[in-house]
Amino acid sequence: SQQGEEDPQALSIQEGENATMNCSYKTSINNLQWYRQNSGRGLVHLILIRSNEREKHSGRLRVTLDTSKKSSSLLITASRAADTASYFCATDGVNNDYKLSFGAGTTVTVRA
Amino acid sequence: DAGVTQSPTHLIKTRGQHVTLRCSPISGHKSVSWYQQVLGQGPQFIFQYYEKEERGRGNFPDRFSARQFPNYSSELNVNALLLGDSALYLCASSRYSGTGIWEQFFGPGTRLTVL
Repeated sequence: SQQGEEDPQALSIQEGENATMNCSYKTSINNLQWYRQNSGRGLVHLILIRSNEREKHSGRLRVTLDTSKKSSSLLITASRAADTASYFCATDGVNNDYKLSFGAGTTVTVRA
Repeated sequence: DAGVTQSPTHLIKTRGQHVTLRCSPISGHKSVSWYQQVLGQGPQFIFQYYEKEERGRGNFPDRFSARQFPNYSSELNVNALLLGDSALYLCASSRYSGTGIWEQFFGPGTRLTVL
């Protein structure tokens, strides 16, 4: 079973717009990570946020974490065609810090 | 540095056959994890190996097995293939960065099709 659930399942935006996707999870975590996957290939690590952090930035990416609501959001600003991909959140449990549990992902399409 | 490598890239098998997938981790990484990603879903954890020992196993049948070699490369074996085993199999090379963080770097995956 999946630990996380991403919302929305799919997102279509115009180049230059911002894209926001959300992730909810069920159990306590050490960290939450976001990954990108292009066309069913390998996963590229985007950003990690620890359970004691509330917000983190990396370039055009902004991640927030609300452990009280067991949810996270990923914002991509000024989107580009190259951002077209599937985005996954992944959590590692407090007692299983080696095992990542992924959601089903959000598919983002950036239109030129 | 070379990233995580996996072989083969694609594989087609028939039901009942067995398959071996291979993974070479990033140099210096002693841990390898395997994930199965069925089309339209997120990856599911299968195994983690650290220093040649199985450290964790996901909810997969005994038809799935793995091992890690002295050079830290790893093989995933699946016996008695079923149609439902068709998926992208991802290998992740890991290093422990301290304070509860395992940094995982994924390979490009092996696309297995079972006919």
